[in-house]
Amino acid sequence: EPEVTQTPSHQVTQMGQEVILRCVPISNHLYFYWYRQILGQKVEFLVSFYNNEISEKSEIFDDQFSVERPDGSNFTLKIRSTKLEDSAMYFCASSALAGSYNEQFFGPGTRLTVL
Amino acid sequence: AQSVSQHNHHVILSEAASLELGCNYSYGGTVNLFWYVQYPGQHLQLLLKYFSGDPLVKGIKGFEAEFIKSKFSFNLRKPSVQWSDTAEYFCAVNVGGANNLFFGTGTRLTVIP
Repeated sequence: EPEVTQTPSHQVTQMGQEVILRCVPISNHLYFYWYRQILGQKVEFLVSFYNNEISEKSEIFDDQFSVERPDGSNFTLKIRSTKLEDSAMYFCASSALAGSYNEQFFGPGTRLTVL
Repeated sequence: AQSVSQHNHHVILSEAASLELGCNYSYGGTVNLFWYVQYPGQHLQLLLKYFSGDPLVKGIKGFEAEFIKSKFSFNLRKPSVQWSDTAEYFCAVNVGGANNLFFGTGTRLTVIP
């Protein structure tokens, strides 16, 4: 069964450093998402992406964040200058079509630890 | 702002006990409702979803949920849990046809053999 994959599974970085989290969505999916979950808190939506542009983003997704689909398979989340409060589990998801009628398939997550 | 509340943070049950996990949401417009499950070390997986029609929806692994519009609730139920149901359960809401999901804080279920 096709699945969303994410690398790395755990990323440790120093405050102020840039990190890139990578995701490979399911191959025939067209819509891509990033969510995050700070330890002990809710899973929060960050951004959705379609046709090489952001379709929706939350208040969390400020200028420090960016997303890119650099090739036909990868979908990346970049945090330009990490802060301690960016420590969280970051989940990538993809769906075949737009809108809530279509199930979002989630990856296993990348745990980001900012020291 | 929209919010999703899951009142039970950790539920411990013996095998064969019945399960009900609460989920309430705050948005009054058109909503689509989901329950996701995350087994230890695994991905978030969709258990079931409600878009319209019969408010009692059945999902995988014997789970069901009932949408009660007047109570803004979408509680998850299973008549008889198994040890393999030990996992974290997340209620999620989609509002007005947007793509993003609003999640609750999750309920950890531990089933004792």
